[in-house]
Amino acid sequence: DTGVSQDPRHKITKRGQNVTFRCDPISEHNRLYWYRQTLGQGPEFLTYFQNEAQLEKSRLLSDRFSAERPKGSFSTLEIQRTEQGDSAMYLCASSRGDATNYGYTFGSGTRLTVV
Amino acid sequence: AQSVTQPDIHITVSEGASLELRCNYSYGATPYLFWYVQSPGQGLQLLLKYFSGDTLVQGIKGFEAEFKRSQSSFNLRKPSVHWSDAAEYFCAVGDRNAGNMLTFGGGTRLMVKP
Repeated sequence: DTGVSQDPRHKITKRGQNVTFRCDPISEHNRLYWYRQTLGQGPEFLTYFQNEAQLEKSRLLSDRFSAERPKGSFSTLEIQRTEQGDSAMYLCASSRGDATNYGYTFGSGTRLTVV
Repeated sequence: AQSVTQPDIHITVSEGASLELRCNYSYGATPYLFWYVQSPGQGLQLLLKYFSGDTLVQGIKGFEAEFKRSQSSFNLRKPSVHWSDAAEYFCAVGDRNAGNMLTFGGGTRLMVKP
C-alpha cells in the first residue's frame, strides 16, 4: 500500500493558463474523490468516481473544472483559464467499495497558486 | 443539506492537559461521522469514525469521540495531549446518498504549550 499519490505537489501558474493535476489512488480502491481546500477552511467536495464512472459532478465549481478517470485507475483534474480565486489545495482521496466501511485515504494534495 | 460546525477556531492547551474539540452536525438521518487531522502542508489522516452501534468510538493516537444524537454532537477528546498533537482537526459528516461525499467543518487549530 503506497498510499494516494498526487502530482505535482506545487503548481504556480499565470492567470488564464490551463492546469492539470494527477491523482493515483491506492490500487485496489475503486472510488476516487476530489476536494478543494482554501486557506483556513475545511475541504470542499468537488466530484467523485466509482471505477471510471463519474457519479457526481454537480459540485464542480464552474464549467472551467473537469475531471476524468479514463481506465478506472488514475484521475486527472483540469482547470481551464485559471483565475486567482482558484488558488487552493486540491486534495484527492480514494476508498474501497463503500467508504463508510473503509474510510477515505487522502493524498498530500496539490497546492495551486495563480498569479 | 448536511452541515458541520466546529465552534472553536483555535484552542491552546498545555502539554499533558486534557483536550475536547467540539463538533455539531446537521443531517437528516443517522449520520456517518469522522474526525481527521491535518499537519501543515499535508493531507488529512483519519483519526476515527462512527457509523452505528457504540456511541463512544476509539481512534488512533489515543483519541476518542462520543456521538450524542440528542445534542447533534460528535466531540473529540484526548486525556493527555502531547506536543506532537499540534495540528488542525476537522470533523466531517458523510452523505450516504452521494457516494459518501464528506462535508467538513471549518476546522479547529490546536496549539500545545510546553
